[in-house]
Order: sequence, then structure tokens, then C-alpha cells
Amino acid sequence: DTGVSQNPRHKITKRGQNVTFRCDPISEHNRLYWYRQTLGQGPEFLTYFQNEAQLEKSRLLSDRFSAERPKGSFSTLEIQRTEQGDSAMYLCASSLSLLAKNIQYFGAGTRLSVL
Amino acid sequence: GIQVEQSPPDLILQEGANSTLRCNFSDSVNNLQWFHQNPWGQLINLFYIPSGTKQNGRLSATTVATERYSLLYISSSQTTDSGVYFCVTKDMRFGAGTRLTVKP
Repeated sequence: DTGVSQNPRHKITKRGQNVTFRCDPISEHNRLYWYRQTLGQGPEFLTYFQNEAQLEKSRLLSDRFSAERPKGSFSTLEIQRTEQGDSAMYLCASSLSLLAKNIQYFGAGTRLSVL
Repeated sequence: GIQVEQSPPDLILQEGANSTLRCNFSDSVNNLQWFHQNPWGQLINLFYIPSGTKQNGRLSATTVATERYSLLYISSSQTTDSGVYFCVTKDMRFGAGTRLTVKP
């Protein structure tokens, strides 16, 4: 068990460029979550998957954001036409959801800076 | 959605002191968790505690679901306890956190 892995750890991009982040969850975890965290705030939920199905999306997830989990294992989060307001830490978490119990384990995050 | 309020927002302690952090939530929950975010940003799950009391070393947590609050107790605090403590409800909603600073 290597934990939740996120790549890259840091990304610097120019406004208007597209970026893609990857998250590898703990193996056999059926749920995968994406959050965004800005300085001094708590993480904000963006979306989550159960296996390959995207079950919920926050209103924070504008149409420039898209997430996939094609085979129910790793996930990607893409941001198109980045804006300076997209600068944040993007966190991924995974869990093994059993009945009501759902303990989340977080990766170290990808820090995005949009210049 | 469920509203989550944490108090106090900031707490400064001398090493060795005890503290209590509180989380109030606006509706019934069945998946209350406490996390610690260390100064490097890593979030670590401390407790999954939808109800009752659990203890893990110097930390313990109690959730009274009928009264919609949870408490996190830290005893004999250490400098490594510094960071931000979050409670999280079943709809993945984080509170604003309590920022704890433990001074040597």
C-alpha cells in the first residue's frame, strides 16, 4: 500500500493554457475524490467517482474543468483555458466505501500556479 | 447542504497543555471525520467518528450526533501537533478548520 499518489506535485502555467493532473488512489479503493484548497481555507469538494462513474459534481466545477476515471483506477483532472483564479492546491482522496463507513485518505496534492 | 462550523478558529498553546476543538454541524451526519493538515499540507485522517468516543494515544474524539456536535481533545500537546484541524461531514463538506500552534 503506497498511499494516494498525485502528479505532478507542482505545476506552473500561463493563463489560457490547459493543464492535467493525475491521481493514483490506494489500490482497491472504489471511491476517488477531487478537492481544491486555497490559502487559509479548508478543502472544497469538486467531484467524486465510485469506480468509473462520476456520481457528484460541485457547482464549483465549471465547464472548463473535467475529470475522468476511465477504468475505475487512476483519475485525471483537466483544466482548460486556465485563469489566475484557478491557482490553488488540488487534492485527491480515495476511500473504500462500505455501507455508511467511508474513511478518506489524501494525497500530497498538486499545487497549481497560473501566471 | 450541511453547514459545518469549527471553533476556535485559532489556538495557541504552550507545549504540554491540553485543548478541546469543537465542530458543530447543521444536520444529522453518519460519516463525521477529523483530519489534521500538517504545516507541509498533508491531510491525515485522525478519527472516523459518527457517534460515541474514540481514543488514539494523546488524542480522543467524541461525537454527540443527537446534539449535532463533535469534540476533539488533544492532551499534553507537542509542537508536532501544530497545523490545522478539520472536521468533515458525510457530503464531503469541510469546516473552516482550527489552526493550532504549539510553542516549545
